[in-house]
This record gives sequence, structure tokens and C-alpha cells, in this order.
Amino acid sequence: DTAVSQTPKYLVTQMGNDKSIKCEQNLGHDTMYWYKQDSKKFLKIMFSYNNKELIINETVPNRFSPKSPDKAHLNLHINSLELGDSAVYFCASSQWAGGSTGELFFGEGSRLTVL
Amino acid sequence: AQTVTQSQPEMSVQEAETVTLSCTYDTSESDYYLFWYKQPPSRQMILVIRQEAYKQQNATENRFSVNFQKAAKSFSLKISDSQLGDAAMYFCAYRSLINTGTASKLTFGTGTRLQVTL
Repeated sequence: DTAVSQTPKYLVTQMGNDKSIKCEQNLGHDTMYWYKQDSKKFLKIMFSYNNKELIINETVPNRFSPKSPDKAHLNLHINSLELGDSAVYFCASSQWAGGSTGELFFGEGSRLTVL
Repeated sequence: AQTVTQSQPEMSVQEAETVTLSCTYDTSESDYYLFWYKQPPSRQMILVIRQEAYKQQNATENRFSVNFQKAAKSFSLKISDSQLGDAAMYFCAYRSLINTGTASKLTFGTGTRLQVTL
């Protein structure tokens, strides 16, 4: 039973299109994240939600819009895709309140290719 | 802001040998977590080992152990009896214990690619 699941795992699309990536966690965690891994494998935080509230919003173009309908789900919508958006996007979750061991649990990543 | 530095872009080790991956970090905080994550070609991020800064004892997980030097802000990973399945990208990461906003994120180093040869 997958703890953090993302869909789709692969996404190929044309410049200018709009796309979404969905993430769900069944760990009962209260905090979820989106990370971007570029072609050099560097992992950078994009957004984080704690109990549906946005708590981290790094310097990300406003074409990227996260949405958390409940604390088990965090989606990422990207408008007007550009070539530079090609990357692997990781969803992750952690338990921040009480009993946390600190680590983030990651999904398998969604590889986005913009042509 | 915290930073994490991995100065070895690539390392190579022979099967059954021991290798050490380096990591240094910069922080003004006294309590935090440090992690090593492994990313094999499947791209799944897998937790290898965790260290709480308030614990003086170095963490160990089977063939994996760390050398945590808090004063030097150093956190190296030692892999003993290396196996072909250890070949992967290894990321060092820092997380604050402060329970507010941006402190909840993991800050990663740039990674070290480990090759394991026969």
C-alpha cells in the first residue's frame, strides 16, 4: 500500500499547455510538500502545506499554483508551461506536530517533459 | 538560512569495500535533524539514516553509519561492505526542529553519485 502516491508518473506536453499533478498520502501526516528536481539532480522546495494552510511558498513563478483540498491531498497545477519547467516533481509528507521523527516521506516523482 | 554542502559530485567504490561520503552544513541553530537519502535510478527517495543533533552517539543502520561532528558541522556517511545495490545518488539534508513555517522544510545538498564496481 503506497504511502505517498503521485499521478501521473510521466507527463509529456507542449509549451503553453496547462497541466496538473496530484498527490495523496495515507500516512496521516499533517504537512505536505512539493519539491522540484532539476536536470542536475538539485532538489528545491517549492511549496508546503500544514493542515491545508500554505506555510512555505518559495520563489516560484505564479504559473504554479498548489491546492490542498484536505490534509491528505496536495495538487500542483501549472499554467502556460515553459521549456524550463521540465523536471521531476516530488510530493512529500511529514508529521510535524507531536511524535515526529523529522524525515519526509517522498512519492515516486512525476517526470514532466515540456516540448 | 541553512545551507548543506556536498563537495564530492562523484565517488567510486569496489564491491565489499568501504566508502565515506562527506557533508557539511551551516546553521546557527543548536537543535536540528540531519539525514542521508538515497536516490537509485528508479528515482525514489529513500531514507538511509537519521541523526538528531542533540544525540552525541552516531547513528547506525546495518552497513550504514554516520560520523557526526557537531562543532565542525560535519555529517559524513560511511557505507561498509558496499554492494552493487548501493549505487545511487546520495543526498545529505538538514531540517530544523523549530515548528514554524519554512523551518519545516528539508534543505538538501547537491548530491554525490556513488558508483559500485566489481
